[in-house]
Amino acid sequence: DAMVIQNPRYQVTQFGKPVTLSCSQTLNHNVMYWYQQKSSQAPKLLFHYYDKDFNNEADTPDNFQSRRPNTSFCFLDIRSPGLGDAAMYLCATSRPYSGTVPNQPQHFGDGTRLSIL
Amino acid sequence: AQKVTQAQTEISVVEKEDVTLDCVYETRDTTYYLFWYKQPPSGELVFLIRRNSFDEQNEISGRYSWNFQKSTSSFNFTITASQVVDSAVYFCALTGNQFYFGTGTSLTVIP
Repeated sequence: DAMVIQNPRYQVTQFGKPVTLSCSQTLNHNVMYWYQQKSSQAPKLLFHYYDKDFNNEADTPDNFQSRRPNTSFCFLDIRSPGLGDAAMYLCATSRPYSGTVPNQPQHFGDGTRLSIL
Repeated sequence: AQKVTQAQTEISVVEKEDVTLDCVYETRDTTYYLFWYKQPPSGELVFLIRRNSFDEQNEISGRYSWNFQKSTSSFNFTITASQVVDSAVYFCALTGNQFYFGTGTSLTVIP
């Protein structure tokens, strides 16, 4: 089945130690998204790629970076994780959208739960 | 300013009861989209429905129905004859000049 796959399901890292989360998709969607979801809160969009075009949300900290080497893969890099970065990180994909803001249904992966020691 | 309000933080119902999840939104955009997503305990968000601002027709899909009313800026979601498998957090979302999730409603269906 076509899907969005996130690895690993659980990730533990140390305070200040860089960490990379990965996402792959078999849907061949043009758009890929990264969300941060803290406990009992709504997902918060960090950034998204429309093909190779990177779109950063205004309030996303500089500590968060992303790479999309090809259509299928997208990575979230946290350069110096702090305790406040412990969260579930969700990857999603969608078909192309018109206009400047994502408005297509999104397909989500199972998420990676990040813990900071 | 753009905003999505889901005033019901948690709801519990007994199986087979009907339940309505409220969603009220604010936007200055004339063109916008509204969504509902379901997040079961496993964590994966599942798309349920999308509505654009020009389409106020209500929709029914099996036990699910949606009532979109621009006059009250609401996009409510009703589950008829609820089942235990409906237990999840449900998010309403809005796209106008930015993409924004509401805070979610946690639904527990008691057998």
